[in-house]
Amino acid sequence: EPEVTQTPSHQVTQMGQEVILRCVPISNHLYFYWYRQILGQKVEFLVSFYNNEISEKSEIFDDQFSVERPDGSNFTLKIRSTKLEDSAMYFCASSENPGREVGEQFFGPGTRLTVL
Amino acid sequence: QQQVKQSPQSLIVQKGGISIINCAYENTAFDYFPWYQQFPGKGPALLIAIRPDVSEKKEGRFTISFNKSAKQFSLHIMDSQPGDSATYFCAARGNTPLVFGKGTRLSVIA
Repeated sequence: EPEVTQTPSHQVTQMGQEVILRCVPISNHLYFYWYRQILGQKVEFLVSFYNNEISEKSEIFDDQFSVERPDGSNFTLKIRSTKLEDSAMYFCASSENPGREVGEQFFGPGTRLTVL
Repeated sequence: QQQVKQSPQSLIVQKGGISIINCAYENTAFDYFPWYQQFPGKGPALLIAIRPDVSEKKEGRFTISFNKSAKQFSLHIMDSQPGDSATYFCAARGNTPLVFGKGTRLSVIA
């Protein structure tokens, strides 16, 4: 069964450093998402991406965040200058469509980001 | 307006019992209500979803009950099993990205 994959599974970084989280969405999916989950809290939407551009973003997704689809398979989330409060689990998700009809987003296993 | 309120925060159920998790929302523009199941170290996985044109949807041991007038929906897990022990999130969306509840940690004990 096709699945979303994410690397690395755990990333430790120093405050102020840049990190890039990588995702490989399901191959025939066209819509891509990033979510984050601070430990013990709810999953929060960050950004959605379609046709090589951001389609929606939350207030969390400020100028320190960016997303990119550098090739035909990868989807990346970059955090330019990490802060302690960026420590969270980051989930990538993908879907065939934005959800008006089918609605199913498939989530990857997540990258645990720890900012020291 | 964009929140989905979920309760209880944690739930312990005997094997074979019924697990019930409740969610409430305010935004009447929401028209899709999925439930996600998350095991430790894994991403959320879609369990079952409902649209507001029906009041109930059943898939195996999992049932969503939906009350449009009360703006509430709930997940019922019949004949709960230890393998159902996980965190369950309700969510909702309309012309908005998915909004998640805070999650319910379910423990099914033998």
